[in-house]
Amino acid sequence: AQKVTQAQTEISVVEKEDVTLDCVYETRDTTYYLFWYKQPPSGELVFLIRRNSFDEQNEISGRYSWNFQKSTSSFNFTITASQVVDSAVYFCALSDSNTGFQKLVFGTGTRLLVSP
Amino acid sequence: EAGVTQSPTHLIKTRGQQATLRCSPISGHTSVYWYQQALGLGLQFLLWYDEGEERNRGNFPPRFSGRQFPNYSSELNVNALELEDSALYLCASSFPDGWNYGYTFGSGTRLTVV
Repeated sequence: AQKVTQAQTEISVVEKEDVTLDCVYETRDTTYYLFWYKQPPSGELVFLIRRNSFDEQNEISGRYSWNFQKSTSSFNFTITASQVVDSAVYFCALSDSNTGFQKLVFGTGTRLLVSP
Repeated sequence: EAGVTQSPTHLIKTRGQQATLRCSPISGHTSVYWYQQALGLGLQFLLWYDEGEERNRGNFPPRFSGRQFPNYSSELNVNALELEDSALYLCASSFPDGWNYGYTFGSGTRLTVV
């Protein structure tokens, strides 16, 4: 069965600090997709990144970067020089062929609080 | 381009009543998904509709049902409401192969059962 673990329930940092949000996943499939979403207080889930299992390249987008390591089944998310606007709940999610790829299995989320 | 829109934003119902939640997908998206985000339970997959058909459902009782209309908008109906149905209900839409293009979520309907 698929499972996504986000062990960090809540992280508090001061603005400009770097912060890494951990995500560990479980799947028996060799083909799967991983996602990160941001949920600000408004409730909407904002898509951040999608990565398939065949692409282990790390990715950087502005202050955001993602480290995908199949050897440790991890897909960690780093925010560099955090800002107050980064305060939100961040979810990691997985889809695989077991669910026809259409269903997302979410972790429990990590609440990030960035204070000025 | 308009995003995924959900209505109403908030809904308060009494236990035993029925609730109807609505979702309009992004133009061009044919698939609609419903997720429940209950306190302490995280985001749970509820239903997936594509081309008017229910394609998959999560581990929820039959009193959770819905439909998709010819214009691809969708309704989620919850019958015989229970207190534990209180949650944020999120709708998402995508192209048929959403895993390739991503899923766009709406802002949700917060259902409170009293």
